[in-house]
Amino acid sequence: RKEVEQDPGPFNVPEGATVAFNCTYSNSASQSFFWYRQDCRKEPKLLMSVYSSGNEDGRFTAQLNRASQYISLLIRDSKLSDSATYLCVVNMKGGSQGNLIFGKGTKLSVKP
Amino acid sequence: GAVVSQHPSWVICKSGTSVKIECRSLDFQATTMFWYRQFPKQSLMLMATSNEGSKATYEQGVEKDKFLINHASLTLSTLTVTSAHPEDSSFYICSALTPGFSFYGYTFGSGTRLTVV
Repeated sequence: RKEVEQDPGPFNVPEGATVAFNCTYSNSASQSFFWYRQDCRKEPKLLMSVYSSGNEDGRFTAQLNRASQYISLLIRDSKLSDSATYLCVVNMKGGSQGNLIFGKGTKLSVKP
Repeated sequence: GAVVSQHPSWVICKSGTSVKIECRSLDFQATTMFWYRQFPKQSLMLMATSNEGSKATYEQGVEKDKFLINHASLTLSTLTVTSAHPEDSSFYICSALTPGFSFYGYTFGSGTRLTVV
């Protein structure tokens, strides 16, 4: 079983749509969780951290369910500029320690 | 904020030659650097972790004699792909731990796309 699993997509949605991505991780000892965004042929960039209480940053909402080892990302009112691959990322350690474990990513394409 | 400069951005080399990729931290000291590799439509896979002044720790299945990592200074880490073959063609990217700049401080280089012909 892969450490971090995501639906690869692609998700093709119209502008303004709401889209949700899911992710599961295999190691229950994982301590910190993130969503990164990666544009084609570019480095990944941190979108947001994910907390057990759930957290929101503008149009983006992230949720974590430790019992189910499940992470989600909700994007509301999709923009063309949201088109990218969204990477679910897990760290066995908290804070700035240890290495990041990446999922394969879910590709999102927002159409006009 | 923290910046990691990675060079070259892309390189094409002949099979059997060696290629060096550099990652420099521009405004901070990178004690720890991670090197990843990403094949098309695959996730970033950690190759090795390097700490300044000590030998790199390689992940299982990564040949340390083929992928030479040098982290001799706090601002420079290099990855050399020796005797490159077409199957080494990939996107290589470094990431430095930068806890002083943010709580979740990982700063990525811009990546190097290696094509071996």
